[in-house]
Amino acid sequence: DADVTQTPRNRITKTGKRIMLECSQTKGHDRMYWYRQDPGLGLRLIYYSFDVKDINKGEISDGYSVSRQAQAKFSLSLESAIPNQTALYFCATSVGGTDTQYFGPGTRLTVL
Amino acid sequence: QKEVEQDPGPLSVPEGAIVSLNCTYSNSAFQYFMWYRQYSRKGPELLMYTYSSGNKEDGRFTAQVDKSSKYISLFIRDSQPSDSATYLCAMSARPGGGADGLTFGKGTHLIIQP
Repeated sequence: DADVTQTPRNRITKTGKRIMLECSQTKGHDRMYWYRQDPGLGLRLIYYSFDVKDINKGEISDGYSVSRQAQAKFSLSLESAIPNQTALYFCATSVGGTDTQYFGPGTRLTVL
Repeated sequence: QKEVEQDPGPLSVPEGAIVSLNCTYSNSAFQYFMWYRQYSRKGPELLMYTYSSGNKEDGRFTAQVDKSSKYISLFIRDSQPSDSATYLCAMSARPGGGADGLTFGKGTHLIIQP
């Protein structure tokens, strides 16, 4: 089984809808991250969490919110989706103080 | 100016060739440098990690950092079709990226022709 899982893997939604992307990990890592990847723009950090009670905004947090329900679960919400949030979203985990981030398989989100 | 610049490619080379992938950066505080490999429809996976300047070799892969020039490279020897992927450089000023996370390049799409 994969160590970092993301659900759903693909989602098509309409402008204005609320969407939640979920991430679960079995690696026992304390740190979790949400990135989006766009062609020509690379990976950009949306939010990160160093533990259940520590959540921080990344480079592009506007229009997104997160929830760290448990050490193993970190969800990303789009309260009112807009077309320019169409992208590939990745969850990642790491152990505090180390550099290796382990990425999930990604969620491809399309907002019409 | 972006903090990290990386040519998006595509870079197409014949099987067996030596591949050179590069990134330049502007933030002199970066000390930790990584290369991630991303296959189509997959998440990135860490390939190489180096701290400060110097070289690191792992099998067919060599990572090189020149902090004086703010330039990092990844060399792939005896390239194979299975090396076809997008390669992303990443860097940070602190271990694990600290509060700023990792700063990624846009990625170079590499194609190894059989």
